[in-house]
Amino acid sequence: DADVTQTPRNRITKTGKRIMLECSQTKGHDRMYWYRQDPGLGLRLIYYSFDVKDINKGEISDGYSVSRQAQAKFSLSLESAIPNQTALYFCATSGGHEQYFGPGTRLTVT
Amino acid sequence: GQQLNQSPQSMFIQEGEDVSMNCTSSSIFNTWLWYKQEPGEGPVLLIALYKAGELTSNGRLTAQFGITRKDSFLNISASIPSDVGIYFCAGQLDSGGSNYKLTFGKGTLLTVNP
Repeated sequence: DADVTQTPRNRITKTGKRIMLECSQTKGHDRMYWYRQDPGLGLRLIYYSFDVKDINKGEISDGYSVSRQAQAKFSLSLESAIPNQTALYFCATSGGHEQYFGPGTRLTVT
Repeated sequence: GQQLNQSPQSMFIQEGEDVSMNCTSSSIFNTWLWYKQEPGEGPVLLIALYKAGELTSNGRLTAQFGITRKDSFLNISASIPSDVGIYFCAGQLDSGGSNYKLTFGKGTLLTVNP
């Protein structure tokens, strides 16, 4: 079984809808991250959490919110989706310097 | 924010050829990581480097942590079709407040012709 899982793997939604992307990990790591990937732009950090009580904004947090429900769970929400939030979204976890990624969620906002 | 310049952006090579790619930064990093991403998947860690000058291998892959701590190189020897993918470098800053955050390069797209 995968150490980092993401649901859903694919999602199409309409402008203005609220959606949540979920991430779960079995690695026992304290640190979790949400990234966004766009063609030609690499991976950009949206939010990160160093433990259950710690939430920090990344470089592109506007339009997003997160919740760290437990050590193993970190969810990303788009309160009112817009088309330029169409992208690949990755969750990652870390217990040291290295980060381990989930398989990603492909989100399309129409 | 910090930027990593990764080059080349893309490479088209013949099976059996060697490949080199690199990342440079204006900032000093205390850790360099190299990832590979295949279509429809998340990035997978290939090699981690922790000391300036360090040279580390993983099968046909070899990566080096530059002496200046501002660059890193990845070499792939005797390429095969399954090497196809996007390769990303990532650096971790040498700064207490930024510990455990990575800065990513924009990736090198590798295509291997059989």
